[in-house]
This record gives sequence, C-alpha cells and structure tokens, in this order.
Amino acid sequence: AQTVTQSQPEMSVQEAETVTLSCTYDTSESDYYLFWYKQPPSRQMILVIRQEAYKQQNATENRFSVNFQKAAKSFSLKISDSQLGDAAMYFCAYLLTSGTYKYIFGTGTRLKVLA
Amino acid sequence: DGGITQSPKYLFRKEGQNVTLSCEQNLNHDAMYWYRQDPGQGLRLIYYSQIVNDFQKGDIAEGYSVSREKKESFPLTVTSAQKNPTAFYLCASSAPGQSLYEQYFGPGTRLTVT
Repeated sequence: AQTVTQSQPEMSVQEAETVTLSCTYDTSESDYYLFWYKQPPSRQMILVIRQEAYKQQNATENRFSVNFQKAAKSFSLKISDSQLGDAAMYFCAYLLTSGTYKYIFGTGTRLKVLA
Repeated sequence: DGGITQSPKYLFRKEGQNVTLSCEQNLNHDAMYWYRQDPGQGLRLIYYSQIVNDFQKGDIAEGYSVSREKKESFPLTVTSAQKNPTAFYLCASSAPGQSLYEQYFGPGTRLTVT
C-alpha cells in the first residue's frame, strides 16, 4: 500500500529566509502525481505545487519549488523569501493516476514564520 | 464562480443522533471525496465516489454513510455508530485526467458531538 510520510511535525523560519519541508512516499508504481497543499488558519486547502512522476524537471511556482528524487521517493518543498502569509499547515499528497484515484496524504507540517 | 460549498460551517449534535453534512460542487467533476481531519493525523479518507450512483469506502468508513444521486452532490451522514465523530470534515472533488489531477476542496464543516 502507498504511504506518505512527513517527518517534521513543525518547522520555523525567519521572514525572508528559505525553508525546506520534507516528504517521503512509498510506492511500487511508476506513474503518479505528487502534490503540496497549504492549509492556512482559515482551514481552506490550497494547492501549492504539483509534480508528475514522469517529469524529471522539478516543478516551480514563484517562490515555491520542489526537489523530486524519484529513486529515493522523496518530494521536498522549498519556500524561498518566506512571508508571514506562508504560515500554515503543509500537506504532501500522492495520487496513483490509474485505478481508484485515491489521494494519500501525509500528516502535515506546521510552518511558523517569525517576523 | 465555480467551487465547492459545504454547509453548515459549524454543526453541533447530541450523542446518539445521526447528522448529515452537505457537499455541493458546480465544477462538473466526476469524482468526489470526504475526508476527516484530526489534529496530528492529516486527512483520512472516509468515502469517495468516481461517478454518480457509485461510491467506495475509504480508510475509515465505519460509522459513516454516503449517497451520490446527483453529480454535483455528495452528502455524508455521520451515524450514531461512529464512536468519535467530533472532527473537522472536508469535502473535495476532482476530474480524473483533467486539470492535472488537482483536487479542489470545500471550506469544511466542524462537527461537535456532545
């Protein structure tokens, strides 16, 4: 069975600095998607970034980028120039793009941004 | 604007009562999902539906029931058999094969059972 592990329950970063959130997953499949979702205090889930497993190039979205290591089954999120609005829970998620379309979520990392 | 609505935002019930949480989407998505969120446990899948009139149990389906009679609606009933129903419930939808598999979420319902 597929699993997603986020080993950092909580992280802190100084405003304007860079922080990396880790995520590892376990799968025997080769075709899947990976996602990072943000959940601010409002609790509305927002997609931050996604990565297709067949693409070797790491995805980037403005200040957010990923380090996708397929062989190591690692999918970390880097936030550059951290802002106060980045403070939130961040969830890593995995989707097998065949069969049941079940998304598997990690337990989340709470990011605090210090002014 | 297209999106997912969940109502109500806060719900209070007495123990032993069934309660139904509403989820409606106007995104024309085939797939819909219900998750439960507890502190420190991330999102756990309760039920999901890939098409109208069909749904599958997720990882924690015991004590819950769903229906999918219309494409846009996927209500969740929390029955009295659910031992610990107090939690935050999130509904989501997606269009498999489209929108690069992005899952869209509603604003959630906080259920408190006393």
